Amino acid sequence: GQQLNQSPQSMFIQEGEDVSMNCTSSSIFNTWLWYKQDPGEGPVLLIALYKAGELTSNGRLTAQFGITRKDSFLNISASIPSDVGIYFCAGPHYGGATNKLIFGTGTLLAVQP
Amino acid sequence: DTEVTQTPKHLVMGMTNKKSLKCEQHMGHRAMYWYKQKAKKPPELMFVYSYEKLSINESVPSRFSPECPNSSLLNLHLHALQPEDSALYLCASSQEWPGQGNHEQYFGPGTRLTVT
Repeated sequence: GQQLNQSPQSMFIQEGEDVSMNCTSSSIFNTWLWYKQDPGEGPVLLIALYKAGELTSNGRLTAQFGITRKDSFLNISASIPSDVGIYFCAGPHYGGATNKLIFGTGTLLAVQP
Repeated sequence: DTEVTQTPKHLVMGMTNKKSLKCEQHMGHRAMYWYKQKAKKPPELMFVYSYEKLSINESVPSRFSPECPNSSLLNLHLHALQPEDSALYLCASSQEWPGQGNHEQYFGPGTRLTVT
């Protein structure tokens, strides 16, 4: 089945550093969603991308829909301790009666003050 | 407002107990979902309700029984669970399913379930 691979698997950075992570697929997606999940909480939608090549910002976060439609990127500028969490990408899979969101494997971000 | 609420926040139950998880949204969304999530793994879809009708059951064991009393509420009834069912159970909602043009799903905070 479809799979979304995220890299890196984990990142340990200093406060103030910029962060880059990506999400790749073997097949085309027409939507990319980026979520952040704090420990013990539900995922929170950060950014939604609907058009190939689209670049969208949300505060210090910027996400891009890759032009091949098989990847997406998330950047965080000037990281702060509250950026800690797991970042998941997700995209819709249309399989007839089994339409659902496919989630990436996640990138764990740790920020040291 | 993109709030989905879930109760309880934490639940500990024995293998012979019957309990229920509750989820509520007031965004006018017509699709609601149950997910199961193990530590540091992505959420796994369990059930999808669209317009209060069960649309997807991802081969979930019958000890999990979903219910959608109305367009704002979603329940998950639990009976005779196993220790391996311990996980974070997440509810989510979206405008429509399968979400032509808008696939954004909004998640609740989850219920941390421990089966002893």
